[in-house]
Amino acid sequence: GENVEQHPSTLSVQEGDSAVIKCTYSDSASNYFPWYKQELGKGPQLIIDIRSNVGEKKDQRIAVTLNKTAKHFSLHITETQPEDSAVYFCAVKRNASGGTSYGKLTFGQGTILTVHP
Amino acid sequence: SAVISQKPSRDICQRGTSLTIQCQVDSQVTMMFWYRQQPGQSLTLIATANQGSEATYESGFVIDKFPISRPNLTFSTLTVSNMSPEDSSIYLCSVGRGLSGLYNEQFFGPGTRLTVL
Repeated sequence: GENVEQHPSTLSVQEGDSAVIKCTYSDSASNYFPWYKQELGKGPQLIIDIRSNVGEKKDQRIAVTLNKTAKHFSLHITETQPEDSAVYFCAVKRNASGGTSYGKLTFGQGTILTVHP
Repeated sequence: SAVISQKPSRDICQRGTSLTIQCQVDSQVTMMFWYRQQPGQSLTLIATANQGSEATYESGFVIDKFPISRPNLTFSTLTVSNMSPEDSSIYLCSVGRGLSGLYNEQFFGPGTRLTVL
């Protein structure tokens, strides 16, 4: 089955710095790559995603890059703020058979991001 | 995205008892899922809740331990049966976007925090 490795497990930055979290995956047929942010006591929140036909996607201070050849993708957060402190999870999915999109999401191990004021 | 609510938000239970967790969505969705998140860990898919038919369980999860109901397109329940301390986890309901099977996005509820003594 799919194997997703996420690094680093913890990341500590100063406010205003950039943060980068990287995930690698094993299944070359995977074609959907979301990132989730989970704050303490809450459920995961989808913050950005990318599909396999795109190399980069940006949304304000966050961006995701995908390298399909190397089978890795990364989350980039610029100008970090204390409210960015949370656990971040990457995930990977390949479409189910029959052409629908609902294959299984496989999650990375998570990264605890701490942004110091 | 859909608004997802879960009941109860947390509970403390005695070993050997069962707990039923409810998930309510504010719009009709085709896909509903149940995940487990053990303390400090990532998310693991328990099963896909199918409307009008039996749930589809992932390897390592069985219907006798985690019976699931899906009576309509906005509601599902997960029961954790004959609980032991190892069942202490966050249980998360997740839904796919809309009624079509074409969308990739999945959204999560706030979770139910279960402690088994």
